[in-house]
Amino acid sequence: DAGVIQSPRHEVTEMGQEVTLRCKPISGHDYLFWYRQTMMRGLELLIYFNNNVPIDDSGMPEDRFSAKMPNASFSTLKIQPSEPRDSAVYFCASRKNGANYGYTFGSGTRLTVV
Amino acid sequence: GENVEQHPSTLSVQEGDSAVIKCTYSDSASNYFPWYKQELGKGPQLIIDIRSNVGEKKDQRIAVTLNKTAKHFSLHITETQPEDSAVYFCAATSTRGGGFKTIFGAGTRLFVKA
Repeated sequence: DAGVIQSPRHEVTEMGQEVTLRCKPISGHDYLFWYRQTMMRGLELLIYFNNNVPIDDSGMPEDRFSAKMPNASFSTLKIQPSEPRDSAVYFCASRKNGANYGYTFGSGTRLTVV
Repeated sequence: GENVEQHPSTLSVQEGDSAVIKCTYSDSASNYFPWYKQELGKGPQLIIDIRSNVGEKKDQRIAVTLNKTAKHFSLHITETQPEDSAVYFCAATSTRGGGFKTIFGAGTRLFVKA
């Protein structure tokens, strides 16, 4: 089991550019979550999917953020245009319905917008 | 909105001593309480969890307790070792209305001095 795989591990971009973060959940997991981690705000839930369908996107900060899950093995989080305040570590996590409620997190993408 | 408060924010103990981290949640619909350990440069990792119908759970050197009436839950680590040094997050999950929402505490940075 390769775990939850996120790419890239690090991303440095200029303000105004589009950024796409990628996530491959664990095979067989029904839920996928996107979290953002900052020193000031801790771990914030941005959006989550169940069986590829977005269920709750109330944590998405602005229209500049969008997320998709075209199939059970892939999800993207896109920021367009990016701003310096978007700098954070973005985590993807997945879990299997009916099993332990706990998540398996990926290693995260550290985004720096300059 | 719902929140989880976690204390202390920093905890320093001598190797071999015990460490206790406490959390309080606000959402009475919360029914699952996981604890995660995050090491530098990695994603949070589930270390132990407890459901609302259980008051205490133990796994080797770590234990969790839950007081549902008071909405308090705690993590206890005994015989601490240097490799226990990390950031620990408590969380509360609600499945209200068929959804699945986990709110994290702000984290406790644990230092175990050899």
